[in-house]
Amino acid sequence: GAVVSQHPSWVICKSGTSVKIECRSLDFQATTMFWYRQFPKQSLMLMATSNEGSKATYEQGVEKDKFLINHASLTLSTLTVTSAHPEDSSFYICSAGPTGGVTEQYFGPGTRLTVT
Amino acid sequence: AQSVTQPDIHITVSEGASLELRCNYSYGATPYLFWYVQSPGQGLQLLLKYFSGDTLVQGIKGFEAEFKRSQSSFNLRKPSVHWSDAAEYFCAVGGSYFGNEKLTFGTGTRLTIIP
Repeated sequence: GAVVSQHPSWVICKSGTSVKIECRSLDFQATTMFWYRQFPKQSLMLMATSNEGSKATYEQGVEKDKFLINHASLTLSTLTVTSAHPEDSSFYICSAGPTGGVTEQYFGPGTRLTVT
Repeated sequence: AQSVTQPDIHITVSEGASLELRCNYSYGATPYLFWYVQSPGQGLQLLLKYFSGDTLVQGIKGFEAEFKRSQSSFNLRKPSVHWSDAAEYFCAVGGSYFGNEKLTFGTGTRLTIIP
């Protein structure tokens, strides 16, 4: 139980285009989902916290207009990287906190984004 | 501001040897501490967590961690490593253990196991 999936697992896009990454909680409902970014050999940096049905809360320094987050249902959150540039290339990881908040958050396997 | 430091970027140990991964934290209130393992192609998996009580915490896969408030440390240990333990290990701190609490992660320690 408590499985979180991400789609796609890897994606290559051209500079200037947009790409959407999906995060799904497969066997539980998640009121809260988190999006992290991980650079090679570095830590997971929290980008934003999304709560179902409301606007995401972005961490300082994260461009909300560039990284659009939608959490329209209790099992799905999406991250759209708009007008992608090579510096947006990274590993993006989501996590989901079960509704009720009584257990820890569960992590997806990550999405590798490469912008050419 | 909260922070986590993992001073060892990369550790190599022989299979069957003991292991200790270091973690120091900075947190203004009562810390909730976690150790996660990240294997290629898989999501972060929780090894163990600590928030109160016995300062020696047992986790999955034979791991344990000891909380030392005086040293602001939460080091991860395993008495005998297996080749399958090779992975990236992350220490994290948060304000609770609930799933709606954001976490601050350390930079990770890559563990290599040699035969």
